[in-house]
Parts: sequence; structure tokens; C-alpha cells
Amino acid sequence: LAKTTQPISMDSYEGQEVNITCSHNNIATNDYITWYQQFPSQGPRFIIQGYKTKVTNEVASLFIPADRKSSTLSLPRVSLSDTAVYYCLVGDYGGATNKLIFGTGTLLAVQP
Amino acid sequence: GAVVSQHPSRVICKSGTSVKIECRSLDFQATTMFWYRQFPKQSLMLMATSNEGSKATYEQGVEKDKFLINHASLTLSTLTVTSAHPEDSSFYICSAQDRGTGVLTFGAGSRLTVL
Repeated sequence: LAKTTQPISMDSYEGQEVNITCSHNNIATNDYITWYQQFPSQGPRFIIQGYKTKVTNEVASLFIPADRKSSTLSLPRVSLSDTAVYYCLVGDYGGATNKLIFGTGTLLAVQP
Repeated sequence: GAVVSQHPSRVICKSGTSVKIECRSLDFQATTMFWYRQFPKQSLMLMATSNEGSKATYEQGVEKDKFLINHASLTLSTLTVTSAHPEDSSFYICSAQDRGTGVLTFGAGSRLTVL
């Protein structure tokens, strides 16, 4: 199973763009990359998923280089409500080893 | 979008009693559900993978006789903490996996406090 490494914490200010990078050096060919957001005492919430290059939705962008050994979640113009823990997960969702293991996550603190 | 309902959200019980937590996928069928536990300021730890109609697969170090998982239908999985002790106090979270995308939808979590 591909293991992920993220910074433990990041600080930002309202209105800034935040980029959180995740390393997954031993990602497998069939693995997808998915990011989740978690607020205290709540279950994680899906943000974005990708396989390669760039994916964008209404809340974030996900950049994946050609070697796929890392990925970067980009949050445009963060607000105070974006303060949360962000997790990247890597997994082969259709394969036999499709269980998803959470890494440490990145605690993003957005200040006024 | 996909919704997973988890109940109860909070439960307090006495040491030695058993507690059941339910996880339901409301608008989709979930052949696979995952159970996690989370201690304060820590990441989610996978406890077991629950497959509809078969026995759950437990992670190393998780006692299968203590944490009973049943996945009797495509929309319901239950976790029963048997003979609970204070060290079992934690935040338990279930998730159901979309078969097409692999995306996990999580329940709101259940805060268990064992006195």
C-alpha cells in the first residue's frame, strides 16, 4: 500500500492561496489520489480525486506531476472556515487491496 | 450526493457493557464499508473492512472478538464494542465506498465514552 507523507501543519491568512503537498513515492499504477477534509468531531469530507495531471472542481485543484510520486492540493482564497485537517489518500479502489489508510494529515490554520 | 448516516452520534456507557453503532448508506449500495477509530489530535486508524455478506477483515492489533462487525445488507453495517472499557473511549467513524469511483463517504462519527 502506498504510504503518504504530508506536512504536519500549515498557516495561512484569509484570501491567500494554499498549496498542500503530499508525497507518495511508491504509488502503484492503478492507484488514485484522493483528498479529504476533516473538521473536529466530524467525519472526513471528500474534496477532490485525480489520477494524473490536473483536476479542478468548485472548491479545489489537484496537481499531479508525470511521475505521480507527489500531489498538491490547491485551495484558492482560503477563508477562516477552511481551517481543518486535510488528508491525502492513495489507493487502488477496484483492486484487492482497496482499503484506504490515512496518514498524519495536514492541519491548516487560517487566520484573519 | 452520497450520504452515510451513522448512529448514535454520542453514547456514554458503563464499563463492561456493549454498545452498537450503526452505519447506513442512504442513497447508494455499499458492498464495502470501512470502520475507523480516531483519538484526539490523531489521524484515523483503520480498524476493519466490512464486506456485505462475508466476514469482516480486521487490521493487525484489532481484536475481532471485541469489535464485532456485521454487514448484513448492502446499506447497513454495524460495529458492536463488546465489554467496553474506558480505553475503548474514542471517536468511531464509518465510511462506505462508491464502487465506481472508489471515493469514500463518511458518517458523522460516533463519540463513545466508557465510564
